[in-house]
Amino acid sequence: EAGVVQSPRYKIIEKKQPVAFWCNPISGHNTLYWYLQNLGQGPELLIRYENEEAVDDSQLPKDRFSAERLKGVDSTLKIQPAELGDSAVYLCASSLDSVGELFFGEGSRLTVL
Amino acid sequence: AQSVTQLGSHVSVSEGALVLLRCNYSSSVPPYLFWYVQYPNQGLQLLLKYTSAATLVKGINGFEAEFKKSETSFHLTKPSAHMSDAAEYFCAVRDNFNKFYFGSGTKLNVKP
Repeated sequence: EAGVVQSPRYKIIEKKQPVAFWCNPISGHNTLYWYLQNLGQGPELLIRYENEEAVDDSQLPKDRFSAERLKGVDSTLKIQPAELGDSAVYLCASSLDSVGELFFGEGSRLTVL
Repeated sequence: AQSVTQLGSHVSVSEGALVLLRCNYSSSVPPYLFWYVQYPNQGLQLLLKYTSAATLVKGINGFEAEFKKSETSFHLTKPSAHMSDAAEYFCAVRDNFNKFYFGSGTKLNVKP
């Protein structure tokens, strides 16, 4: 069974440019998460979806970040415009339901110059 | 909100030695507890989880963790370190609202 797939794995952009990350969760997993991982730190939740509904987006900086999960499967996280401080790894995770364990993708490493 | 504290951002052991990675959580109500491992340039993989069935939890690759309510701790151990254990380890808590909180991680270095 395929795991959580993320793309791109690496992205380098200049500040003020837009960037988008894509996540395909494990088949049948209803809950999808986007986490931010800064160097030397643990993951921090940006947004959690239950099917198509964003049930926790309290930590998502909504002035520049947006996310969507169309049809309750794939999800896209967008940053526009990117800032230097956005350089980090963006992790996608999924779980069977809201009480299940998390399965993580390999992450998308963003470098903003 | 929960908090998770991992003592020691870097731990170094010799191959064959005991591994002990410390984790303390803030809640007075026993939550669900997890240990994840992250190899370089990869996502996090579940090592083990505590869900109140037993206080000593065995995971993959010979790791185990013991839940101690009185100490609000969930330390990770392995009797004998292997070179392939070198990675970063994260302790995590899931609260009653199904929100995960991660510690800041401990990088394990294994010396030959």
